[in-house]
Amino acid sequence: EVQLAESGGGLVQPGGSLRLSCSASGFTFSSYWMHWVRQVPGKGLVWVSRINTDGSSTDYADSVKGRFTISRDNAKNTLYLQMNSLRAEDTAVYYCAGRWELGYWGQGTLVTVSS
Amino acid sequence: QLVLTQSPSASASLGASVKLTCTLSSGHSTYAIAWHQQQPEKGPRYLMKLNSDGSHSKGDGIPDRFSGSSSGAERYLIISSLQSEDEADYYCQTWGTGIQVFGGGTKLTVL
Repeated sequence: EVQLAESGGGLVQPGGSLRLSCSASGFTFSSYWMHWVRQVPGKGLVWVSRINTDGSSTDYADSVKGRFTISRDNAKNTLYLQMNSLRAEDTAVYYCAGRWELGYWGQGTLVTVSS
Repeated sequence: QLVLTQSPSASASLGASVKLTCTLSSGHSTYAIAWHQQQPEKGPRYLMKLNSDGSHSKGDGIPDRFSGSSSGAERYLIISSLQSEDEADYYCQTWGTGIQVFGGGTKLTVL
C-alpha cells in the first residue's frame, strides 16, 4: 500500500524557518517525481514545488521562489521542503504528492505563520 | 499563460450522473490533465489522468462510475450513479515547463 506521511509542521513566527519531511513507502520512491502542494483551509489546492527522480532538477511556484528549497534522499525514501523567510500568507496545509501527475497523496501537515 | 478554469459548484441527485468541466486556456488545448477528489476534511485523492483524445487511466481502486472525456480544450469528469460519498471538491490539474497548475475546484453537492 502506498503511503506518504508528512511531518514537521507547526507554529512559526514571520521571518522564521521550518523544514517539512515526507516519508514514502509502498512504491519505488526513487523512480518518481515528487511535489509539494499547499492549501489554505477552505481554499483550493496550490502547487508549490517539484523535484525529479535524482534531485538534479527542481521547479518552484513564483510565490516561494528564493525562499523554499525542495530536496530528497532516495536512500531514506524521504522528501523535504526547507521553508525560510516565512510569511503569514504561507499559512496552509502542506501535502506531499508522488508521480508526475500527482498520483499519490499524503494527508498533509499544517504550517501556521503567526506572531 | 497556462490556466485551468472550473465552475465553482455543481449539484446532482443521488443515483443520477454529473459531468464536471475543466477548460484549458488558449493555446493549450492538447494538454493532458489529471482529476483529483477531495472529500471533506480529507487529503486529495487521484482519480485519473485524462488525455486530449479522451483516453484515460484511473488510479488504483477508483470505481468504474468515474470516467473522463475530452472535447477541444475541455476536459470532463463524468460520475454516474452518484453516491453520498461523491460529495466532494474536484480539482483538475495540468503541467507545463517549470510548473504544475490546478484549477480552482468544483464543489459537488449530492442532493
